[in-house]
Amino acid sequence: RKEVEQDPGPFNVPEGATVAFNCTYSNSASQSFFWYRQDCRKEPKLLMSVYSSGNEDGRFTAQLNRASQYISLLIRDSKLSDSATYLCVVNMLQAGTALIFGKGTTLSVSS
Amino acid sequence: DGGITQSPKYLFRKEGQNVTLSCEQNLNHDAMYWYRQDPGQGLRLIYYSQIVNDFQKGDIAEGYSVSREKKESFPLTVTSAQKNPTAFYLCASSSVSVRVSGANVLTFGAGSRLTVL
Repeated sequence: RKEVEQDPGPFNVPEGATVAFNCTYSNSASQSFFWYRQDCRKEPKLLMSVYSSGNEDGRFTAQLNRASQYISLLIRDSKLSDSATYLCVVNMLQAGTALIFGKGTTLSVSS
Repeated sequence: DGGITQSPKYLFRKEGQNVTLSCEQNLNHDAMYWYRQDPGQGLRLIYYSQIVNDFQKGDIAEGYSVSREKKESFPLTVTSAQKNPTAFYLCASSSVSVRVSGANVLTFGAGSRLTVL
């Protein structure tokens, strides 16, 4: 089983739609979780950290389920500007190289 | 504004040549990292440095070398020993090492795209 797995997509949705991405991780010792956004041929940028209680930032909601070892990202009221690749990142601290990046889920929002 | 500057943005290299990618940060971060990204792949760690004058191999260090003589600078040399060097190279930093503090997040530079002809 790969350490961090994401559905690569692409997810093609119309403007205004709600879309959800899941990410599963294999190491139960994982400590911290993040979603990064990467635009085509650009660098990744932090979208949000994921906390145990779940957290929301505007139209974006992140959830963590430690028992099932997955995190999710929900985007409401999708905008054209949300089109990007969303990277799931897991930190296992001292284990190995600590940060493990998923391959990303591609979202395309159309008008 | 604080940030990370990578240069060059695009680089073409002939087989057998070494090339050095520059990474400079003015964020006063202790830790710096080099990642490689290939199409359809997750980021893979090449080298990281938790503090000046110290660096450690990541998952794919073979064929690469680094130095950390100054806090602000972490150059990466892609040597002729790297068998498949064509890739997008990303430099990143964090205030302290992500191996120490899980809450720390990475700030990335804009990347250097290396093509071997």
